[in-house]
Amino acid sequence: KAGVTQTPRYLIKTRGQQVTLSCSPISGHRSVSWYQQTPGQGLQFLFEYFSETQRNKGNFPGRFSGRQFSNSRSEMNVSTLELGDSALYLCASSLVAGDYNEQFFGPGTRLTVL
Amino acid sequence: EDQVTQSPEALRLQEGESSSLNCSYTVSGLRGLFWYRQDPGKGPEFLFTLYSAGEEKEKERLKATLTKKESFLHITAPKPEDSATYLCAVQGDYKLSFGAGTTVTVRA
Repeated sequence: KAGVTQTPRYLIKTRGQQVTLSCSPISGHRSVSWYQQTPGQGLQFLFEYFSETQRNKGNFPGRFSGRQFSNSRSEMNVSTLELGDSALYLCASSLVAGDYNEQFFGPGTRLTVL
Repeated sequence: EDQVTQSPEALRLQEGESSSLNCSYTVSGLRGLFWYRQDPGKGPEFLFTLYSAGEEKEKERLKATLTKKESFLHITAPKPEDSATYLCAVQGDYKLSFGAGTTVTVRA
C-alpha cells in the first residue's frame, strides 16, 4: 500500500514569507502528527490531528499552525518565516491518535529560509 | 519535561564488530520507548516498542532492551546496510520526545 506522502519535497523561502506544507496519510489512517527535525534540536513534536481536530500541540510559537481535512490529509502553515525555521518537516500517520506503535513517517519536506 | 539522551553521537564499526547504543531517559509515566532507524533523506522507520523494564525485542541483527532508566540497542555482527542514524523516543503523557540519535557507519 502507498506510504505517507509529503509535498513539496524541497522548498526555499525568504524571511517574512509564509509557507504551507502538505501531508497525505496512509489510506485509512486518521491521525497525523507533524515534527520538525534540525541538526541542533533533533526531532521535535509540533502537533497532532485526529478526525479534523488538533489533539495535542508541542512547544512552538503561534506562527506554526495546522489543520486536517475530512479525508485525513493535513496541512501545516508557518507564517512570518525566520532563519531558524529551516528544517526537515516530517509528518507521520497512524490509525488512531497516540498509537505510535503503528506510526509511519513520510520522507519529509526540506524547508530552507534565506 | 521528558528528556532523552543518546550516546555515542557517532559510531564507526567494522563489518562483524558488534556494539551497543545507549538511550537514557527521564519521563513521568513511561507509556512506551521506541527505536527508529533513519536513512539519509528519508523519514524515520519504526523498529521496536518496549513498554516495561526487563523487556527485550529482536529483529535480525538488532536487539533492544529496557531498564527503568535506559535502553540499549545491540547490533550483532553488523553489515554495511546497517549504516544509519538510530533514534530513540519516549512517550510520556501525549507525545513522543526524541533523542538526538546515534549515527552508525559500518565499513566492509
